[in-house]
Amino acid sequence: NAGVTQTPKFQVLKTGQSMTLQCAQDMNHEYMSWYRQDPGMGLRLIHYSVGAGITDQGEVPNGYNVSRSTTEDFPLRLLSAAPSQTSVYFCASSYSTSSYEQYFGPGTRLTVT
Amino acid sequence: AQSVAQPEDQVNVAEGNPLTVKCTYSVSGNPYLFWYVQYPNRGLQFLLKYITGDNLVKGSYGFEAEFNKSQTSFHLKKPSALVSDSALYFCAVRLINNDMRFGAGTRLTVKP
Repeated sequence: NAGVTQTPKFQVLKTGQSMTLQCAQDMNHEYMSWYRQDPGMGLRLIHYSVGAGITDQGEVPNGYNVSRSTTEDFPLRLLSAAPSQTSVYFCASSYSTSSYEQYFGPGTRLTVT
Repeated sequence: AQSVAQPEDQVNVAEGNPLTVKCTYSVSGNPYLFWYVQYPNRGLQFLLKYITGDNLVKGSYGFEAEFNKSQTSFHLKKPSALVSDSALYFCAVRLINNDMRFGAGTRLTVKP
C-alpha cells in the first residue's frame, strides 16, 4: 500500500493564481481531510469528507474548495491564491469517522508571492 | 470555544529520564483525544487515543497517556526518554461533528 499520497511536494504561486493540490489514498478509507500547518498554530482543519459525495467545512475553509467524487481522491482547490495561504498542507484519511486514527500524507509546501 | 491547549512550546529532558508533554482540552460532551508525533519534513504519525474505558492508554513506541476528566487533561508520558523521541508532538480532540482541533504542538528535545 502506498498509503496517503500528495502531489506536488512543493509549489510556488503568484497572488491570484489558482491550483489544485492532489490527495489520494489506497486504504479504502471513508474519512478524508485537509489541514494546513502554520508555525505556532498547529494543524487547522480546512475541509473534510465522510464519504464519496459528502464534504463539510472545517475551522478555516475560506478560499478553498473540495470535492469527493471517488473514495480514493480528495483534491483541494485554491481559487485565487493569497499570501496568507502560504503554508504546509497535509491530507489525511481514516477508516470511518475522525474517531479513528488518521494517516497523514507527506505534505505540500506552498508559497504564494 | 471547543479547543485543545498545549501549554509548553518546548520540553527538554535527559535521555533515560521520564518525560511528560501536557495537553488540556475544552469540549462539550465526552472527548475523543489523540496524540500524534511529527518528525522533520514528515506528516504526522498516530501515537495513541482515548475514546472510553481505562484512563491510562498505552500507545506506540512505549508512550502512554492519562485521561483525567476532572482536570480536563490528557498528558503524554514515557518512563524513559530516548534521543530518538525528539520530535514535535500534537494533542488533538475530535468534535461531535467529525471536526478536529489540534494543539499548537510541543517540541520535545531529549539530550544524551
